[in-house]
Amino acid sequence: DAKTTQPPSMDCAEGRAANLPCNHSTISGNEYVYWYRQIHSQGPQYIIHGLKNNETNEMASLIITEDRKSSTLILPHATLRDTAVYYCIVLKTSYDKVIFGPGTSLSVIP
Amino acid sequence: NAGVTQTPKFQVLKTGQSMTLQCAQDMNHEYMSWYRQDPGMGLRLIHYSVGAGITDQGEVPNGYNVSRSTTEDFPLRLLSAAPSQTSVYFCASQVTGFGNTIYFGEGSWLTVV
Repeated sequence: DAKTTQPPSMDCAEGRAANLPCNHSTISGNEYVYWYRQIHSQGPQYIIHGLKNNETNEMASLIITEDRKSSTLILPHATLRDTAVYYCIVLKTSYDKVIFGPGTSLSVIP
Repeated sequence: NAGVTQTPKFQVLKTGQSMTLQCAQDMNHEYMSWYRQDPGMGLRLIHYSVGAGITDQGEVPNGYNVSRSTTEDFPLRLLSAAPSQTSVYFCASQVTGFGNTIYFGEGSWLTVV
């Protein structure tokens, strides 16, 4: 089973920040939090990942709570092209089985 | 998705036929895996491999075989296709170590009639 839980769907107004939550209450100390997204039926696209510190790149920011039991992916200025299914997963090493949950379907509304 | 190549992109099979979906990566990644995605559903892990000669089952392995004779290639074989195997199949690879990105192929659309 997936080690994360996410809301099944969210809406966001175009130009506003999209905040996607993820619960990973059983995460262990050496497990990373990854975020991917899938647009239509394309292959999933990497967004960002982190261990314990907040991370930011050109696509998004990742905020991880101090106890690491939850995180939030922030798309600072959502566009229509950000409409996609967003997956949060936790991984320790590259030898872990990578199990995806159902993700959050984000709809960006004009 | 540069670096992970899947073929064919589209395939129609008759029930009972066998076929192989090909996956190749040129990034020298040790970890490779196959997922299937049914309409409106998430990705489900079929089989994975942590290196040449090593494979293991994922969540939904029945009806599929894999082998890993080289680091670059990880083919997925459907032994006797069934309509329930109609799906989109994604291959992925990942470099070893902590905190490394997973790269996905573009997908193979399979229809079994």
